[in-house]
Amino acid sequence: DGGITQSPKYLFRKEGQNVTLSCEQNLNHDAMYWYRQDPGQGLRLIYYSQIVNDFQKGDIAEGYSVSREKKESFPLTVTSAQKNPTAFYLCASSRRHEATNEKLFFGSGTQLSVL
Amino acid sequence: GDSVTQMEGPVTLSEEAFLTINCTYTATGYPSLFWYVQYPGEGLQLLLKATKADDKGSNKGFEATYRKETTSFHLEKGSVQVSDSAVYFCARLGGNTPLVFGKGTRLSVIA
Repeated sequence: DGGITQSPKYLFRKEGQNVTLSCEQNLNHDAMYWYRQDPGQGLRLIYYSQIVNDFQKGDIAEGYSVSREKKESFPLTVTSAQKNPTAFYLCASSRRHEATNEKLFFGSGTQLSVL
Repeated sequence: GDSVTQMEGPVTLSEEAFLTINCTYTATGYPSLFWYVQYPGEGLQLLLKATKADDKGSNKGFEATYRKETTSFHLEKGSVQVSDSAVYFCARLGGNTPLVFGKGTRLSVIA
């Protein structure tokens, strides 16, 4: 089945540690996105990528890094510089970026908590 | 910048009640408008969309009409069910930014 897969579902980070969240899609989509979800704040965009080997910062990129070496994969690293990493992280993809009627397909999310 | 404002929750309704969740957007250009739904512990799913003024999106008994004159895209359902309990997000797409979401409205439907 085609879809977008995030792993792990739950992740724990120790102080000063970097952790990487995985996001894989087999939908042949060009664009991929990372959102952070906090209670009462909705979804905020961290990074997005329109095409392989290219990505742009979203609204809250500080303390995060991404790579887009393959079309199918868009991993997110939460670095030790991110002082408040506890949140629900959602990855999404779409066929093309900025198409006026393009819908996003979402993964099932990763809950990151700090130990 | 581009933004979406939706009514704050939580909203608690009895089964078969009428639902309205308000959503307004900033009027930069002619954005496409969406409602997404998030069930507990899951990602978001597209519920419905409208791409131009006066379009009505509909799905699973939910409806929303793109109102350019009031820059609104309110979500409605005539008779909610317990299974509709979820968080609902209004979103807009247009200009140079990726999809912009509202803060979400949690709906709880009780039997």
